[in-house]
Amino acid sequence: IAGITQAPTSQILAAGRRMTLRCTQDMRHNAMYWYRQDLGLGLRLIHYSNTAGTTGKGEVPDGYSVSRANTDDFPLTLASAVPSQTSVYFCASSLGPSGEQFFGPGTRLTVL
Amino acid sequence: GENVEQHPSTLSVQEGDSAVIKCTYSDSASNYFPWYKQELGKRPQLIIDIRSNVGEKKDQRIAVTLNKTAKHFSLHITETQPEDSAVYFCAASNSGGSNYKLTFGKGTLLTVNP
Repeated sequence: IAGITQAPTSQILAAGRRMTLRCTQDMRHNAMYWYRQDLGLGLRLIHYSNTAGTTGKGEVPDGYSVSRANTDDFPLTLASAVPSQTSVYFCASSLGPSGEQFFGPGTRLTVL
Repeated sequence: GENVEQHPSTLSVQEGDSAVIKCTYSDSASNYFPWYKQELGKRPQLIIDIRSNVGEKKDQRIAVTLNKTAKHFSLHITETQPEDSAVYFCAASNSGGSNYKLTFGKGTLLTVNP
């Protein structure tokens, strides 16, 4: 059992390019989340999904989009990357509203 | 929305001493308060959590206390060890709400000196 995985591990991207960060979980969790982590700012929620077919905006959604076509996958897309999107991105999942959130290993993204 | 403040941002202790990290939250409807530990280069992992019907919870050297009236909760680590060195995040959520979002504090870098 893999738990929750992310790809790629790291990526250097030219500004203006489109990029999709992948996230897959095999725990049959209902909810999934995308966070970005920047030094001194903690973990900030970008988008979330309570269940397959639904998504919602978090604290910092601008410039990002998500989809949740099935239970297992929750990709995050940067339509036109900008340097301020340089960050470490964590995907997470939870079974329900009061359960532990399990984090993926993270993707380190650098936008030049 | 919810706002979580965490203090201190850095904390340095000697091995064997205790460490305390404090968080306050703004939304009185919040009822779930987890603590995550993140070692350097690793993912955050849950170490302990507490719900609003409980005032204190303990797991070996780690304890969390909750004061709902004052809207603050704290993490206590006793007999600290070098492997406790990490960034610790508190978080809060309303598990009975329409979504499952956690709001995180900005983190505390704990350094345990041998």
